[in-house]
Amino acid sequence: SAVISQKPSRDICQRGTSLTIQCQVDSQVTMMFWYRQQPGQSLTLIATANQGSEATYESGFVIDKFPISRPNLTFSTLTVSNMSPEDSSIYLCSATDGLYGPQHFGDGTRLSIL
Amino acid sequence: AQTVTQSQPEMSVQEAETVTLSCTYDTSESDYYLFWYKQPPSRQMILVIRQEAYKQQNATENRFSVNFQKAAKSFSLKISDSQLGDAAMYFCAYRSPLIQGAQKLVFGQGTRLTINP
Repeated sequence: SAVISQKPSRDICQRGTSLTIQCQVDSQVTMMFWYRQQPGQSLTLIATANQGSEATYESGFVIDKFPISRPNLTFSTLTVSNMSPEDSSIYLCSATDGLYGPQHFGDGTRLSIL
Repeated sequence: AQTVTQSQPEMSVQEAETVTLSCTYDTSESDYYLFWYKQPPSRQMILVIRQEAYKQQNATENRFSVNFQKAAKSFSLKISDSQLGDAAMYFCAYRSPLIQGAQKLVFGQGTRLTINP
């Protein structure tokens, strides 16, 4: 199965700033995803990162707040913009290795906003 | 829209015993995929087991097995011979068929499993 690396693993940021999270997969994958896990909660899909086109966002998430890039089949970034304490969460990247394969996840990025 | 429900926020079991975690889901689709993921304190999501809805046979992976009841829309996870390393949050997840929903995963609320030595 694909090995997924995320950077940074954690960060503490000031209110109003932005942070970009990187996700690197060790093989080409068809689809990549970004999830948010708020403290003590389950995972919620933010968007599907599409290679060569704009990301597909879920209801409640907008591109201006969570811009996503996917320049190739192994890499994606998620930016959390104009951060507020409500953005304090774990952000996880996932990918599928094949059209019918399960999603595998990175280690996540724990983000705290002061 | 599909929903996934895990009615047990917390469970505990003695080491070496068997425990069953419950999951129910709601869908109008006839073909789909179901998963159990484990999230230890390290926060990495680890795939435990998967089940294709078109398969009648319950999936098994070593000490982990599922009881898939399609008509009842139930998908429980049984952990046999529990080990201390099994302690984690367990999430049940649903995925639509490939053509629909673009492989989006819908997660339940999670069950925190504690293993007592």
